Amino acid sequence: AQKVTQAQTEISVVEKEDVTLDCVYETRDTTYYLFWYKQPPSGELVFLIRRNSFDEQNEISGRYSWNFQKSTSSFNFTITASQVVDSAVYFCALSDPETGANNLFFGTGTRLTVIP
Amino acid sequence: GAGVSQSPRYKVAKRGQDVALRCDPISGHVSLFWYQQALGQGPEFLTYFQNEAQLDKSGLPSDRFFAERPEGSVSTLKIQRTQQEDSAVYLCASSRDQETQYFGPGTRLLVL
Repeated sequence: AQKVTQAQTEISVVEKEDVTLDCVYETRDTTYYLFWYKQPPSGELVFLIRRNSFDEQNEISGRYSWNFQKSTSSFNFTITASQVVDSAVYFCALSDPETGANNLFFGTGTRLTVIP
Repeated sequence: GAGVSQSPRYKVAKRGQDVALRCDPISGHVSLFWYQQALGQGPEFLTYFQNEAQLDKSGLPSDRFFAERPEGSVSTLKIQRTQQEDSAVYLCASSRDQETQYFGPGTRLLVL
C-alpha cells in the first residue's frame, strides 16, 4: 500500500531563515513519482515539482531545493531565505503507475508560517 | 493558457439536498481527477476519468456520489441527499500526461 508521511504538522520560522519540510513515503513498487504542492490560503494546490523514482539527482529552483533519497524513502523540501509569501500548507504526494492507479496519495501537509 | 476552473467556489446546502459541482479542465487534458479535502487533511482521491471513460471510482465514499464527463471535457460531481460529513473542499485536477496533475481552486461545500 502507498503511504506518505509528513511528520511536521506546523512550522514557524522568521523571515530569511532556511526551513526544511520532511516527507517519507512507502510503496512496494520500483516505478513511482513524487510531488510537492503548495496550498496558499486561497486554497488552490500549486504544483512545485515532480520526481520519478529513477532520478535521484537533487534539484534546485531558485530558493527551493529538493533532496530525494531512495535509501531512506524520503523526499525533503528546503526553502532557503524564507519569505512571508512562502507561508502556506505544503503537501508531499506519491503516484504509483505500476498499480494502474494514476491518482495521487497525499500526506497530511505541513503548515509553514513565515514571520516577518 | 487558462487553468482548471471550478464552480461554484462555495456552496451551502441543507442536509438532504442534492448538489452538483462543475470542473472545467485545462484544454487538451485527457485525464481528470476529483479529490475530497477535509479540513486540516490532505486531499483524498475520489474518481478518475480518461476522456469520457470513468476508469476508477474506488474513492467515492458512497453511492450518493456520482461523477460524469460525458464529452470528455467538463466534468460534474454530484452528491445526492447531502449529509454533514460531506462538508469538505472538492478539488478537481487535470493532466495531459497522466503524471503531473494541475488543480483547480476547489469548491468549498458546507452542509448544514
